Amino acid sequence: QPVLTQPPSVSGAPGQSVTISCTGGSSNVGAGYDVHWYQQVPGTAPRLLLYAHTNRPSGVPDRFSGSKSDTSASLTISSLQAEDEADYYCQSYDSSLNGPYVFGSGTKVTVL
Amino acid sequence: QVHLVQSGAEVKKPGSSVKVSCKSYGDTFNSYFVSWVRQAPGQGLEWVGGIIPYSRTPDYAQKFQDRVTIAADTSTDTVYMSLRSLRSDDTAIYFCTTSLTTLIYKRWFVSWGQGTLVTVSS
Repeated sequence: QPVLTQPPSVSGAPGQSVTISCTGGSSNVGAGYDVHWYQQVPGTAPRLLLYAHTNRPSGVPDRFSGSKSDTSASLTISSLQAEDEADYYCQSYDSSLNGPYVFGSGTKVTVL
Repeated sequence: QVHLVQSGAEVKKPGSSVKVSCKSYGDTFNSYFVSWVRQAPGQGLEWVGGIIPYSRTPDYAQKFQDRVTIAADTSTDTVYMSLRSLRSDDTAIYFCTTSLTTLIYKRWFVSWGQGTLVTVSS
């Protein structure tokens, strides 16, 4: 069972915005540990999208942004494009026996 | 950044062992924490364990503690993962991935290998 909870799927039309939540608990996100986000196109390896909540690696468009509050974090994709259709995972540090590194359950983004 | 190349797909019988390799090109492994993350068919990502190659001290997820060994060969910039007593639910793609050796609670996964499919079937 994934330690971090994400919605199974979200969808939006091209140009719209979608937001994916990542909910944890007191041993991970709620304890103040950073949340990181990955994009995975089916059949390929994951790609780092955001690190430490809001930071984009070189090459990641600024349409991708992140935020955090209490025991949850969010990834927002603005101006949705067809190429954004993929699976998205959050990840954090966990101080319990589930850790040290835990992932979210994953969210499938569909561009309508 | 490093470019990671993993060994090829494996088919194993239940109860046997598998050893997967991950070689770094473009930069030495020594400044990174190298992890193994697996993904069962149609499922999410799961951290298996990791190692800082120059220290050769591994860290494992509790779930795999009794069955996994991660080791590094710094002379060839290669990290290995061995998984024993294989079961059908070990069938998955195994990825190697790197993090900077910063504080343990501030690691994220930057570079990824192409993945190695391990199929466990009788």
